[in-house]
Amino acid sequence: KQEVTQIPAALSVPEGENLVLNCSFTDSAIYNLQWFRQDPGKGLTSLLLIQSSQREQTSGRLNASLDKSSGRSTLYIAASQPGDSATYLCAVRPLYNNNDMRFGAGTRLTVKP
Amino acid sequence: DTEVTQTPKHLVMGMTNKKSLKCEQHMGHRAMYWYKQKAKKPPELMFVYSYEKLSINESVPSRFSPECPNSSLLNLHLHALQPEDSALYLCASSQDLMAGWDQPQHFGDGTRLSIL
Repeated sequence: KQEVTQIPAALSVPEGENLVLNCSFTDSAIYNLQWFRQDPGKGLTSLLLIQSSQREQTSGRLNASLDKSSGRSTLYIAASQPGDSATYLCAVRPLYNNNDMRFGAGTRLTVKP
Repeated sequence: DTEVTQTPKHLVMGMTNKKSLKCEQHMGHRAMYWYKQKAKKPPELMFVYSYEKLSINESVPSRFSPECPNSSLLNLHLHALQPEDSALYLCASSQDLMAGWDQPQHFGDGTRLSIL
């Protein structure tokens, strides 16, 4: 069974700092991996989706990488801002059950002004 | 603003009540999903509909009954719920389950459900 882990569970940084969030998964047989942002009491906003054949995706100050063989993905946030404060979740779509999506527990990010 | 609309935003109900959660999208998506999210936990998949047909049921108790009356609407009917069912219920949609899997899921803001 696919297990998704995110470390750290919480992170607090000063504004302007570059930071990295980590996601690991136990089964490398994935179709794709998606990073989401969730604000308190709200739904999820898709940030980046990486196909299993891709190594990275970029959108603005965000860069996500994927190393499928080692079961790892990172989300890099450049020049962090207080508005980036949220919970960041990664989710994988298993290759052999691609109706499913398995989420990590998330990293709660606080960017202090 | 999210393109997936869920109503109501908040719902408080007793264990003997019958209520329904609604989800609507007008992006032409043909796959729709229900997730349950407990506080500080990741979302857990409950149901998936593809072309208005139920394609997965993650062993959800029968007190939750999904319905997909058309390609834009998804309902979740609730009956005889338990206090542990209190959670945020999220609806999501994606373009298609069949023709390629490289589409992101779009989520609504959820319904916050409290069972008394």
